[in-house]
Amino acid sequence: DVKVTQSSRYLVKRTGEKVFLECVQDMDHENMFWYRQDPGLGLRLIYFSYDVKMKEKGDIPEGYSVSREKKERFSLILESASTNQTSMYLCASSLATDYEQYFGPGTRLTVT
Amino acid sequence: AQTVTQSQPEMSVQEAETVTLSCTYDTSESDYYLFWYKQPPSRQMILVIRQEAYKQQNATENRFSVNFQKAAKSFSLKISDSQLGDAAMYFCAYSEAGTALIFGKGTTLSVSS
Repeated sequence: DVKVTQSSRYLVKRTGEKVFLECVQDMDHENMFWYRQDPGLGLRLIYFSYDVKMKEKGDIPEGYSVSREKKERFSLILESASTNQTSMYLCASSLATDYEQYFGPGTRLTVT
Repeated sequence: AQTVTQSQPEMSVQEAETVTLSCTYDTSESDYYLFWYKQPPSRQMILVIRQEAYKQQNATENRFSVNFQKAAKSFSLKISDSQLGDAAMYFCAYSEAGTALIFGKGTTLSVSS
């Protein structure tokens, strides 16, 4: 079975802190994604990566950056956390040739 | 740009009954996939069912089936013999090859005994 893990289930950070959210997949998937989930808005794409060191902006990249130094790991970075980044963050991965994405358990981030 | 619309923020059903969740989408592409994902309180997104656009036959997975109307750009999910464990948020999603999913805003399904 495909396994996608995220470093934390819950995270509380202070405004202005640098925050790292880590995602690791164990199925050698080429594509990895970061989504943000907010009530009434569904899931929105922040960034995705289709290969090591490659990245593409999604719909809401402002305030975020990403890093993919190894194929299995995709990090989401909040350079200076703000309260409007309080949200649920979901990581997903997929094969380059497949449409189906596999999701991690999510990280609920609270910025105070 | 492609969009996905779920017009029912909340739905309810009684155990053993059938419920249908609606989804419409907009695209000019001919090759794409559609999905229904379930997100229970545990927050883990679980794939319920997928439909390839080039297939005319509607997908089915046990108690879950879809009504795919390509010309109308409609993709509804029917849950038969509803169970308490079906209570969750359901997301309709659209994807083209190698791209990110585009999600609807979700429908919260409650199941009563």
